[in-house]
Amino acid sequence: QQQVKQSPQSLIVQKGGISIINCAYENTAFDYFPWYQQFPGKGPALLIAIRPDVSEKKEGRFTISFNKSAKQFSLHIMDSQPGDSATYFCAASIRSNYQLIWGAGTKLIIKP
Amino acid sequence: EPEVTQTPSHQVTQMGQEVILRCVPISNHLYFYWYRQILGQKVEFLVSFYNNEISEKSEIFDDQFSVERPDGSNFTLKIRSTKLEDSAMYFCASHGADEKLFFGSGTQLSVL
Repeated sequence: QQQVKQSPQSLIVQKGGISIINCAYENTAFDYFPWYQQFPGKGPALLIAIRPDVSEKKEGRFTISFNKSAKQFSLHIMDSQPGDSATYFCAASIRSNYQLIWGAGTKLIIKP
Repeated sequence: EPEVTQTPSHQVTQMGQEVILRCVPISNHLYFYWYRQILGQKVEFLVSFYNNEISEKSEIFDDQFSVERPDGSNFTLKIRSTKLEDSAMYFCASHGADEKLFFGSGTQLSVL
């Protein structure tokens, strides 16, 4: 019940296309859902996060869509660029303890 | 931009030896974490630390692990007697009043 399932494991998108990564969770107590971006040799960096009281959050080219009833959330990267090539992790936590439960990661490659 | 600093970037040790991984969190942050990432696997929570004591710890964080904030700036993770399966990238993270978690670049620990 503590798991966060992420898909796909890897994704190749043409430059300018839309990249979509999906996550699903079981624990309804989760109330904080961040997405992290990780480049090789670096630590994860927070990209965007959402709480369950909204269904969508947009920051620049990055959008989180959240479906509370389906217990799913997804990251959309619009106008994908080669610089977006990285591994993306979704995560979830109960706000009171900030203990993040991570998805397995998606390796995104943007082809020029 | 402020950053979490970790040293060393790489640590090689013999099985059974003690290692100390060091972190300097962002200066005004009060919540500190250690995570680890075994090669090719998901990021795993180890421990959270607040107000000079452990807030939460995972099953991974057994008696061989300890954390300490020896002074006002450093936050350390000690593994008393390393095992082969402790080989991983260890990330320190910190945050302030909001949930924006900042990660260091990690220490790659190799146990031989």
